[in-house]
This record gives sequence, structure tokens and C-alpha cells, in this order.
Amino acid sequence: DSGVTQTPKHLITATGQRVTLRCSPRSGDLSVYWYQQSLDQGLQFLIQYYNGEERAKGNILERFSAQQFPDLHSELNLSSLELGDSALYFCASSAGTVQETQYFGPGTRLLVL
Amino acid sequence: DAKTTQPNSMESNEEEPVHLPCNHSTISGTDYIHWYRQLPSQGPEYVIHGLTSNVNNRMASLAIAEDRKSSTLILHRATLRDAAVYYCILRDIGSGTASKLTFGTGTRLQVTL
Repeated sequence: DSGVTQTPKHLITATGQRVTLRCSPRSGDLSVYWYQQSLDQGLQFLIQYYNGEERAKGNILERFSAQQFPDLHSELNLSSLELGDSALYFCASSAGTVQETQYFGPGTRLLVL
Repeated sequence: DAKTTQPNSMESNEEEPVHLPCNHSTISGTDYIHWYRQLPSQGPEYVIHGLTSNVNNRMASLAIAEDRKSSTLILHRATLRDAAVYYCILRDIGSGTASKLTFGTGTRLQVTL
């Protein structure tokens, strides 16, 4: 158990809909990262937050957004969903922004029908 | 980001040592070599990392070539629970976005009895 929790574990929705994925980092960790894992693209970095502020952006679509709240939990919002958004979404946390170990949650499996 | 090259798959017998290679011929002086692995149906987990010297921890050993253009992750006695995809990742400590992990395709390790 990494100490990172993600909810829900599974999500099935329809095209055009909007969903919110939630992540609670390990106790004391200030950085949260979101990654997407799909069969054709592999594991890709989406976005990073550090203590409530966006710190780095990767291949995140404009239809996706994220935020980190004062209690350090983070949410990833996916809107206008398309079939190709079906993937595993992982959240990871680390203590800060330097080269510390990232601890990954169990992921949320999203299926868009 | 500097690129890494790993074999797509490897097989090992249980209780035998496993040497997982990684080539990173364009590595820069500020790149650390990190290894993560992803067990089936789980998020990635940290294994080990190093800069120039060989490293050991309870999970594995990391052997780094003198010119740093390649490295080898060593599992001293593979067990069935070590069956996973192993990712070799370079992280640049000089980059403003040093914290993200850039995953390649990794090596799928199969362990048999």
C-alpha cells in the first residue's frame, strides 16, 4: 500500500459526459501528479501540483483540468469525454518538487462508451 | 528528455538472478537513472535510482556503466511476484520540470517456476 488513495476505482460513462477523479496524497506529501495510461500511448504525464499551485504540465488536453485543494487532495476533471479517453488514470505524490520518489495510487479505470 | 531503450520482454526462472538492461546513450551529466516497475493491475512503484555509482537496496541493485550510457537493474533472486513491467527513466535534476516521470515502453519480465 503506497498510502495514495484514488476514487473511484472504476468509472463507466458515455461520450460527451464529464467526470471527476479524486486523489488523496500520502500524509505530508505536497506534490501531486496525474498520469494517464492507455494501450496505445503508454504511461503519460498529465499535470503536477505543488502545495495548491500548478507546477508542470504535460500532454494534458484542454478538455481536462485539475486542481489541488488546501487539504492537498487533488481532483482531475475530464469533460466532453470521447471514446479515446478510456484509460487508467494514476495519481502519484511526493514530498516536494525535487527528485524524490513518487508514490502511485491504484488508479481509476475510466471506460467511455 | 533523454531517451532510454529497453528490450520489450525478458524471461527468467524463479530463484535465478535477472539482469534487465537499459541503454541511454544521450544521457547528460545531470540525469539520474531511475527504475520503476508496474505489477499487474497496480500503479507503478519505485525500485531504485543512481547517478554514477552502483547502488543496492532491499529490492534490487543498479549497475551503472562507467560512461553512463547504459545501466542494468539486477534482481538477485527473481520470484513470481517480480513479474512486472520494468521502466528505466532518466530524470534531469537541472530541469525546471525535473519531477515528472517520462515512461517508455519498459521491459515486461516473465518469471516461471
